[in-house]
Amino acid sequence: QKEVEQNSGPLSVPEGAIASLNCTYSDRGSQSFFWYRQYSGKSPELIMSIYSNGDKEDGRFTAQLNKASQYVSLLIRDSQPSDSATYLCAVREGGSYIPTFGRGTSLIVHP
Amino acid sequence: SAVISQKPSRDICQRGTSLTIQCQVDSQVTMMFWYRQQPGQSLTLIATANQGSEATYESGFVIDKFPISRPNLTFSTLTVSNMSPEDSSIYLCSSRYGQGEQYFGPGTRLTVT
Repeated sequence: QKEVEQNSGPLSVPEGAIASLNCTYSDRGSQSFFWYRQYSGKSPELIMSIYSNGDKEDGRFTAQLNKASQYVSLLIRDSQPSDSATYLCAVREGGSYIPTFGRGTSLIVHP
Repeated sequence: SAVISQKPSRDICQRGTSLTIQCQVDSQVTMMFWYRQQPGQSLTLIATANQGSEATYESGFVIDKFPISRPNLTFSTLTVSNMSPEDSSIYLCSSRYGQGEQYFGPGTRLTVT
């Protein structure tokens, strides 16, 4: 059974710090990796996708993928209170149209 | 990114009744999905809706309870039938693009009394 594991948190960081969110997955055949941000009462919003090993940067967000170790992480630089949300990791294996979602990590950025 | 709309945004329904949720996508997509999210929980896939074929349901979900229509490439409906309080949840429509990115609609918050 495919599993995507995330620490539920909450992860609390001060404003301006780097928030590091981690996700591990069980299926070695996974090929696509996604991070979603979900504010309370709202639907998930896709913020990053990564498909190959290494880092991918987009503004204050950096996704890091290590397929050998089966983990993907999301770094948020210069964290702001507006980044406070639940972050969902999603992993799609090759040959599947449907990603598996983790339970999400709650991030709190305090002023 | 995609623009996905859902109607209604929320509803309060009586036990034993049915509710149909509509999902509209701004461009033609092959695959649309319906998810359920309980408070504080992650996403649970109900079914995949493909145009021109029967929906594919995940384990624990059946067509009689959650009938789905997909009349064209930009629209789908999910009906929650014979509702009970356990069906109270947020129902999310999603569509798939490109290399597998999924985008979600704003959700329908359903409360069954």
